[in-house]
Amino acid sequence: EVQLVESGGGLVQPGRSLKVSCAASGFTFSHYYMAWVRQAPKKGLEWVATISTSGSNTYYPDSVKGRFTISRDNAKSGLYLQMNSLKSEDTATYYCARQGQPGYNDWFAYWGQGTLVTVSS
Amino acid sequence: DTVLTQSPALAVSPGERVTISCRTRESVNILMHWYQQKPGQQPKLLVYKTSNLASGVPARFSGSGSGTDFTFTIDPVETDDIATYSCHQSGNSDTFGAGTKLELK
Repeated sequence: EVQLVESGGGLVQPGRSLKVSCAASGFTFSHYYMAWVRQAPKKGLEWVATISTSGSNTYYPDSVKGRFTISRDNAKSGLYLQMNSLKSEDTATYYCARQGQPGYNDWFAYWGQGTLVTVSS
Repeated sequence: DTVLTQSPALAVSPGERVTISCRTRESVNILMHWYQQKPGQQPKLLVYKTSNLASGVPARFSGSGSGTDFTFTIDPVETDDIATYSCHQSGNSDTFGAGTKLELK
């Protein structure tokens, strides 16, 4: 059974940093692209970052490019999101998601339960 | 960014057929996917690449479309289907629609 468990969310002040993590199990982690998707309170879903199987390629929307860094540790089946220069508009539940097909950047087949990040003074 | 426009909230009765639309201004080929999200839960993949049902998804769910116009259908609707449904395109980077909230009449 595929399991994705996020951790590391919490309350952080504007301008500060936070790193959230995702522990994956139930599949061969190194075979799949992974991503982070967020959802602000009462809002829709927003893609935040994607990383290739080896970690050599990363992709971001303009809203977080230069501030957020996605990374992975295939030996530990771990996915990470380093968030710097946080803004109030980054307040959201952050979901870890696995892509659908091995080696492809396609649809989000599995999702974790999410971790809440609140940016406030 | 490829903006996805979804139909607004819809009110339905059990047993009815409901169709949710998702439109884009530029073609995303067939790379449109649909998710269901219930309050307090993570999204769940229902349909991928326009019309393919995810594993374990009942056949009363379906998707269709191409290019810039896509639809998601539930027929017949059950009370357990009350949720928010979001479209997602992966043809031009990744973007989501704002979600369509399905409510009971």
